[in-house]
Amino acid sequence: DTEVTQTPKHLVMGMTNKKSLKCEQHMGHRAMYWYKQKAKKPPELMFVYSYEKLSINESVPSRFSPECPNSSLLNLHLHALQPEDSALYLCASSQVGSVQETQYFGPGTRLLVL
Amino acid sequence: DQQVKQNSPSLSVQEGRISILNCDYTNSMFDYFLWYKKYPAEGPTFLISISSIKDKNEDGRFTVFLNKSAKHLSLHIVPSQPGDSAVYFCAASAYIRGGQLTFGSGTQLTVLP
Repeated sequence: DTEVTQTPKHLVMGMTNKKSLKCEQHMGHRAMYWYKQKAKKPPELMFVYSYEKLSINESVPSRFSPECPNSSLLNLHLHALQPEDSALYLCASSQVGSVQETQYFGPGTRLLVL
Repeated sequence: DQQVKQNSPSLSVQEGRISILNCDYTNSMFDYFLWYKKYPAEGPTFLISISSIKDKNEDGRFTVFLNKSAKHLSLHIVPSQPGDSAVYFCAASAYIRGGQLTFGSGTQLTVLP
């Protein structure tokens, strides 16, 4: 089983709203990732959690706040977003976040900021 | 600086024929390469990978070739099927970056019935 699930599938929010994206995996993976993908562009790494600790933040604005409550769950809290933050947000996981690992992606959350 | 490049934004192939998708990279520290397939509004699906110690890896209809001296890899799909129509992303990782993936810009493959 290589399934990563994400909820919600679609999200529309205003610039003053607070919302959260959720990601879950039950593969026993200890590394989880958030990516942002704009149309016709490759995924861009935002955050990496390894063993529930934030290990990489790719200079993401503070209006995006990640959280890893346990080894199976990853959240992305959104607050005061801008219209340019509209994108597909992808979650991925891999075994331990080490080299020569395969990352498995969820279906993504399509976010529209009005 | 784009370290992983897919120079063909699109490719059309007849059903049953071979599809060849190409990827070039510039960072000689990359040591692991992956291909992902992506349908619209879905997440990338892992297809096949290759370590830099190999020059070929095969999985069913999919074969990845790696030419380290040319910093080039390719994905061969034989025979191509209409269900293969999707965007294909090449990705690479390097030991010194802790295995983080760098993606190419993708190639839209269309397999014509």
